[in-house]
Amino acid sequence: DTGVSQDPRHKITKRGQNVTFRCDPISEHNRLYWYRQTLGQGPEFLTYFQNEAQLEKSRLLSDRFSAERPKGSFSTLEIQRTEQGDSAMYLCASSPRTVKETTEAFFGQGTRLTVV
Amino acid sequence: AQSVTQLGSHVSVSEGALVLLRCNYSSSVPPYLFWYVQYPNQGLQLLLKYTTGATLVKGINGFEAEFKKSETSFHLTKPSAHMSDAAEYFCAVTLVGDQFYFGTGTSLTVIP
Repeated sequence: DTGVSQDPRHKITKRGQNVTFRCDPISEHNRLYWYRQTLGQGPEFLTYFQNEAQLEKSRLLSDRFSAERPKGSFSTLEIQRTEQGDSAMYLCASSPRTVKETTEAFFGQGTRLTVV
Repeated sequence: AQSVTQLGSHVSVSEGALVLLRCNYSSSVPPYLFWYVQYPNQGLQLLLKYTTGATLVKGINGFEAEFKKSETSFHLTKPSAHMSDAAEYFCAVTLVGDQFYFGTGTSLTVIP
């Protein structure tokens, strides 16, 4: 198992452009999370999926943000009409949901977005 | 709602000294608690976790933490700091794994 994989690692885009990030979770992890982290802050929850269903979205996820997880495997996070305030590290994590206990989230390396 | 508060955004210790990073949680029911470490431009790596059972939990790299319900705390300690411990540390809480709530982080500096 290679862990959670995110692509790209870095993205520089001009304001107003659309960007899409991809996350490949650990295989057989049915929960997948997206977080955003700005400099000097902890990760902030954006949304999470259980299999292909998007179960919760943060108020931080404006209508310019959309996330999908087709077939319950990889996930994409798209930001439309990017703004400078979108510059941040976008972290993906996955977790196996079990009946017995809640386990930790396993994080990818993140995608650093810079909007110029 | 759950939350965690990390006291001290920056902590400096001498190499070989005790490391103590503080975390207090707020939760209406017993939570699951985690400590993660983050190196520059990297994702988060789990150090240790408390789910159920023993309140003193041991993690990787010599770190440990104690869940104290009466104090709503989950402080992270290491007896002897090493230069490689310099990083950002995050405390996190969840109830059922739907959301993980993170603190604002503590930056640990180790002075040679």
